[in-house]
Amino acid sequence: IAGITQAPTSQILAAGRRMTLRCTQDMRHNAMYWYRQDLGLGLRLIHYSNTAGTTGKGEVPDGYSVSRANTDDFPLTLASAVPSQTSVYFCASSAGGSSGANVLTFGAGSRLTVL
Amino acid sequence: SQQGEEDPQALSIQEGENATMNCSYKTSINNLQWYRQNSGRGLVHLILIRSNEREKHSGRLRVTLDTSKKSSSLLITASRAADTASYFCARMDSSYKLIFGSGTRLLVRP
Repeated sequence: IAGITQAPTSQILAAGRRMTLRCTQDMRHNAMYWYRQDLGLGLRLIHYSNTAGTTGKGEVPDGYSVSRANTDDFPLTLASAVPSQTSVYFCASSAGGSSGANVLTFGAGSRLTVL
Repeated sequence: SQQGEEDPQALSIQEGENATMNCSYKTSINNLQWYRQNSGRGLVHLILIRSNEREKHSGRLRVTLDTSKKSSSLLITASRAADTASYFCARMDSSYKLIFGSGTRLLVRP
């Protein structure tokens, strides 16, 4: 089934540890995104990539890094996790481009708890 | 914050009634989209309205857009218990990123 796969589904992590959340899509979408969702704050954009080889900062990029080595994969790395990064993380993708019809397809989310 | 404001934050209605959710934003848009999220799941796209459109329909959904007031509304007619979910508006900015609002939690009582 075409879509987005995120891993892990859930993770508990000690503060200070490094963590990479994985995201893979099989729709050959150009653009990919990472959002975090916190209660009462909706979704906030962390980083995005309009095409393989390029990345950009979203609303809340501090403490996170991304890479886009190929079209399908867009990992999100927390170099040194802090408790405020406890959240549910959603990866999304879209066909992208300037047509204005960037409809997002979302993964199921990764729930991260930093203690 | 670049996020829009959604109103109300929570809405509880009886099955069969209509549900209206509102979304306001601050900057110019390319388009505005509405998404639905069932508890604990990823978001699912519902409908997109472009900046040069004023109204759009999809089944029981009706979306309006007023760019002069920088606001949009989502109307769900003849609601069903299965419509219980959180609903988010998202505006596409000039660099084609989607910025989400804080959402409206809808409860449809059977």
